[in-house]
Amino acid sequence: AQSVTQLGSHVSVSEGALVLLRCNYSSSVPPYLFWYVQYPNQGLQLLLKYTTGATLVKGINGFEAEFKKSETSFHLTKPSAHMSDAAEYFCAVFPRGSARQLTFGSGTQLTVLP
Amino acid sequence: KAGVTQTPRYLIKTRGQQVTLSCSPISGHRSVSWYQQTPGQGLQFLFEYFSETQRNKGNFPGRFSGRQFSNSRSEMNVSTLELGDSALYLCASSLGPGTEETQYFGPGTRLLVL
Repeated sequence: AQSVTQLGSHVSVSEGALVLLRCNYSSSVPPYLFWYVQYPNQGLQLLLKYTTGATLVKGINGFEAEFKKSETSFHLTKPSAHMSDAAEYFCAVFPRGSARQLTFGSGTQLTVLP
Repeated sequence: KAGVTQTPRYLIKTRGQQVTLSCSPISGHRSVSWYQQTPGQGLQFLFEYFSETQRNKGNFPGRFSGRQFSNSRSEMNVSTLELGDSALYLCASSLGPGTEETQYFGPGTRLLVL
């Protein structure tokens, strides 16, 4: 079965600092990989995804993530945090086989300090 | 294109009652998936519908059911509500099998069971 681990349920950064949110997956075959963001009382918004091709993926709001097969990782980064980035971030995997469901990590709450 | 819409946005019910939630997918999307989000269990997959057929089901009791109509709109039903059913219920739509499988989420229905 697929699983997703997000290291750090809470991450705090200063405004302007680097944001790094970690995601590792366990799967014998690299799955499709996604990052979603959730603002309070809202649904999930897709930030970026890796399906195939270039392993460095750029998303919305200045975020990017790199798929590293050897490390089974898909960490999310942003060079300079903004106050509006404060939200909960979820890493998710979707298998390439027949089991068609997104499996989510437990989420990382990002706080941006002024 | 309009996004995924869910109705109602908020709902209060009492134990033992039943509830029906509605989801309208993005135009052209034929697959609809449902997820339950709670603080304790995180985001959990309920089921997926494609072409009016349930194609995949998560580990939830039979009190949770769903259906999909010919226009791809979907409903989920929870019968004999329990306090633990209080959650944010999220619907996601995607193009369907054989595609890149990106799921786009609605704003959710927040259900409170008293």
